Amino acid sequence: SAVISQKPSRDICQRGTSLTIQCQVDSQVTMMFWYRQQPGQSLTLIATANQGSEATYESGFVIDKFPISRPNLTFSTLTVSNMSPEDSSIYLCSVQQGLLPYEQYFGPGTRLTVT
Amino acid sequence: GENVGLHLPTLSVQEGDNSIINCAYSNSASDYFIWYKQESGKGPQFIIDIRSNMDKRQGQRVTVLLNKTVKHLSLQIAATQPGDSAVYFCAEGFSGNTGKLIFGQGTTLQVKP
Repeated sequence: SAVISQKPSRDICQRGTSLTIQCQVDSQVTMMFWYRQQPGQSLTLIATANQGSEATYESGFVIDKFPISRPNLTFSTLTVSNMSPEDSSIYLCSVQQGLLPYEQYFGPGTRLTVT
Repeated sequence: GENVGLHLPTLSVQEGDNSIINCAYSNSASDYFIWYKQESGKGPQFIIDIRSNMDKRQGQRVTVLLNKTVKHLSLQIAATQPGDSAVYFCAEGFSGNTGKLIFGQGTTLQVKP
């Protein structure tokens, strides 16, 4: 499976600021996704990162709050904008390596704490 | 709305015993299901998947069973080891939905030595 890295691994940020999280894959992948995992909870899909076009956001998530870029087939960024304590979560990128949707793998996550 | 849920939040087993983690889903249109293992401080790790046209699939020490009649999914871990201690998530997906996964709430597996 693809090797996925995320930067930063964790951060503590002040409310009102923004943080950009990077996701790097060691090989080209077809699909990239961003998930949020709030403390002690399951994963919720934020958006699908589309290469060369705007991301596709899930209900409850908007581009102004979570702008996403995907300039190529191996890299994506997620920005958490104008942060509040409610944004404290683990943010995870995942990738679909081939054409099979069930071959989806996750990065190690970015643990964000907003004070 | 549709949801994928787990029957038990925490499962405690003795080392060497077999573990069974259950998952209920409500969308009969789901094409595939994936089990993930998440250790503390790490991202979810792919364990095994099963497609909706199958009722059983085996991996190394793990077996996934799918019962579409009652919309139930289970993960069986044979000879559970301390390293199996983690949170386990089931997720469902739809082939026509471009890879989007819907996750269940997770079950914590505790292995007692």
